[in-house]
Amino acid sequence: LAKTTQPISMDSYEGQEVNITCSHNNIATNDYITWYQQFPSQGPRFIIQGYKTKVTNEVASLFIPADRKSSTLSLPRVSLSDTAVYYCLVGGLYNFNKFYFGSGTKLNVKP
Amino acid sequence: KAGVTQTPRYLIKTRGQQVTLSCSPISGHRSVSWYQQTPGQGLQFLFEYFSETQRNKGNFPGRFSGRQFSNSRSEMNVSTLELGDSALYLCASRTENEQFFGPGTRLTVL
Repeated sequence: LAKTTQPISMDSYEGQEVNITCSHNNIATNDYITWYQQFPSQGPRFIIQGYKTKVTNEVASLFIPADRKSSTLSLPRVSLSDTAVYYCLVGGLYNFNKFYFGSGTKLNVKP
Repeated sequence: KAGVTQTPRYLIKTRGQQVTLSCSPISGHRSVSWYQQTPGQGLQFLFEYFSETQRNKGNFPGRFSGRQFSNSRSEMNVSTLELGDSALYLCASRTENEQFFGPGTRLTVL
């Protein structure tokens, strides 16, 4: 299992761009990088997934350097409702259930 | 489409009892996984079922077991409950490349 390292917590203000970086030095060739968001007492919610370079969807962007040993989740113009825990996961596309969730990053968005 | 549903949402048991949790996956999804989430250990994988067969298993004792029915609904059973089993139990169903979580069952063991 490829383990991940993320900051335990981050603070931001409404309207700012937030970048959360995840380290995954042992990523395997066929591993994908997936980010989830979780609110208290709710199940994690899929945000974005990528393999290399840059992926963008309607809520976030994911930047992956060439060596793929890290990745950065970028949340544009955060709001109070983005306060949540964000998990970076690394694993095979068809082996979701061997993903290592880790402790995640608690993002606190202030007014 | 309806999302992943879990019942009950909240449960209180005492040590030594057993408990059964239920999960209904998204229609058409054949894979169901179970996770345990605690403040101390984070989110940990329990097991995965696919087409009524256990396909993957995490590092939990044999007190934790599960099964899947022909309609893909799944149940998880925990026997001889311990205080440390208090947690949020999450169920997830998936397609080939995306996993969808349910709201979870909050189990409290007294």
